[in-house]
Amino acid sequence: GIQVEQSPPDLILQEGANSTLRCNFSDSVNNLQWFHQNPWGQLINLFYIPSGTKQNGRLSATTVATERYSLLYISSSQTTDSGVYFCAVEPVQGAQKLVFGQGTRLTINP
Amino acid sequence: ETGVTQTPRHLVMGMTNKKSLKCEQHLGHNAMYWYKQSAKKPLELMFVYSLEERVENNSVPSRFSPECPNSSHLFLHLHTLQPEDSALYLCASSRGYNGGETQYFGPGTRLLVL
Repeated sequence: GIQVEQSPPDLILQEGANSTLRCNFSDSVNNLQWFHQNPWGQLINLFYIPSGTKQNGRLSATTVATERYSLLYISSSQTTDSGVYFCAVEPVQGAQKLVFGQGTRLTINP
Repeated sequence: ETGVTQTPRHLVMGMTNKKSLKCEQHLGHNAMYWYKQSAKKPLELMFVYSLEERVENNSVPSRFSPECPNSSHLFLHLHTLQPEDSALYLCASSRGYNGGETQYFGPGTRLLVL
């Protein structure tokens, strides 16, 4: 099946720093979503981005489907950005079966 | 608030107990999902229902029994669980089961099996 790899696995930054999280996937996809999981377990949708670039405030994401990767950018980090960021893809083979990466654990220190 | 609610939020049960997890979505969606999130492992899809019919069962042991009485409600009935079943159980919904649909997640039920 499709493989989803996220890097780095852990990232510790000071408040105000910028960061880039990467998601590589091994096969063609219909769908790619980025999620933020807060310390209480809630998964929040950040972006639905099978291709192209989107921006929402301090966050933006770019997916280059032909090269099978996506990037999540966080600018001017705040302590509330801490948590685990997941990339999930829906392979073309296996519609609507979201396959999740292992996540990047982001810690923003004041 | 994603429009998907789950109860209870926390559950401790013995291996001989029977309990049920409940999920409700207020988004008018037609597809609902159960996922399991264990420590150190990616989220794993367990079951998918589309229009109240089960369309996916990802080799889940029979001690987990899903039920979807209508498109807004999804249950996961638990019986004779094992300690390794302790995990965060997440429910999600999407508009349809046609590919390319955004999934919205509930807050999860954190389950501990003693």
